[in-house]
Amino acid sequence: GAGVSQSPSNKVTEKGKDVELRCDPISGHTALYWYRQRLGQGLEFLIYFQGNSAPDKSGLPSDRFSAERTGESVSTLTIQRTQQEDSAVYLCASSLISGIDEQFFGPGTRLTVL
Amino acid sequence: AQTVTQSQPEMSVQEAETVTLSCTYDTSESDYYLFWYKQPPSRQMILVIRQEAYKQQNATENRFSVNFQKAAKSFSLKISDSQLGDAAMYFCACYTSGTYKYIFGTGTRLKVLA
Repeated sequence: GAGVSQSPSNKVTEKGKDVELRCDPISGHTALYWYRQRLGQGLEFLIYFQGNSAPDKSGLPSDRFSAERTGESVSTLTIQRTQQEDSAVYLCASSLISGIDEQFFGPGTRLTVL
Repeated sequence: AQTVTQSQPEMSVQEAETVTLSCTYDTSESDYYLFWYKQPPSRQMILVIRQEAYKQQNATENRFSVNFQKAAKSFSLKISDSQLGDAAMYFCACYTSGTYKYIFGTGTRLKVLA
């Protein structure tokens, strides 16, 4: 596609439910990133994929969070047993080769946990 | 630990005037890259300018330039001839190759007054 896409654009869920967020990066981009942006705050780095591998998962906030990437393309961020503090916009970005390259951001998924 | 600090939550500038946004960072890594990203209201984040830490020359992109002071760990963004379209949140970010992590500051909201 022309840019990074994310789905759903909005997700409202009840506390305790699991959610899955999807990111489709720009075709051919090797690097992919997930961030969390709470209302009025900066971006919190969650995880980085180089190809299908994530060298460091320590940025994930808790063991309820997991992410995977397949085929050096689509990535999913899964949050299990959602909590109200998980409410935020989740942004995905991709870059051509690595973190030194320009990141292209998706529009984000706004997650609201009731 | 890697940190990025933006001490100005909000700035205002008159149209056609010049404004400087501040950013300081801290990292123990020697190989790192610095970025300014812009997030317009309800729109996607886009790259404004990028600086390689090993380069002494300050990066410039049209009306945007940086003042990179490596010893002081300072990376400020200067916007010349400000335009109404420059109104946005501006985020400073640091990427270190050794850690694969991208750290963003909390952002500065820039208002451009007509």
